[in-house]
Amino acid sequence: DTAVSQTPKYLVTQMGNDKSIKCEQNLGHDTMYWYKQDSKKFLKIMFSYNNKELIINETVPNRFSPKSPDKAHLNLHINSLELGDSAVYFCASSHAGPQETQYFGPGTRLLVL
Amino acid sequence: AQSVAQPEDQVNVAEGNPLTVKCTYSVSGNPYLFWYVQYPNRGLQFLLKYITGDNLVKGSYGFEAEFNKSQTSFHLKKPSALVSDSALYFCAVRGDTNAGKSTFGDGTTLTVKP
Repeated sequence: DTAVSQTPKYLVTQMGNDKSIKCEQNLGHDTMYWYKQDSKKFLKIMFSYNNKELIINETVPNRFSPKSPDKAHLNLHINSLELGDSAVYFCASSHAGPQETQYFGPGTRLLVL
Repeated sequence: AQSVAQPEDQVNVAEGNPLTVKCTYSVSGNPYLFWYVQYPNRGLQFLLKYITGDNLVKGSYGFEAEFNKSQTSFHLKKPSALVSDSALYFCAVRGDTNAGKSTFGDGTTLTVKP
């Protein structure tokens, strides 16, 4: 059983399009995250939700909008895609608390042409 | 503000030799320190963490790390490297303030040669 799953795995799209990435976890965790890994492999947190409430919102363009319909799901919608959005997006989840381990999904590779 | 430094982009070791991947951190409050490993085209996998207590932490695949509060370091070590240890390693810190936000280092690519 996959603990943290993401769909799709690959996403190739044109500039200006709108796309969504879905994330689901079956670990019973309260907290979910979105990270962006750029071409240099640097990893930066974008958002964090705890019990469906947004708790971390880094300096991410408004074109990115997370949505958490329930504790097990955190989706990422991106409007008006730009070339610079090309990256690997990772979803993660954990129990609440800074001492808790995060469990990462396999990543969604987004390529904007 | 919290930060993590991994001073080496790349570490090369011969199989069977000991390895060290360095990490230093800065954080307000108590630090919670993590090491994750990323194999090509995969997500990050947890290796080990320091929360409190014994400064020497043992983790998966024979890895260990030593928390050094005075040097604000949390170096990852393994006594005998395997070719299969070759991967990208990330150190991360979370403080007990700042809403539990994780800050990751830039990563260190470990290459173990036969």
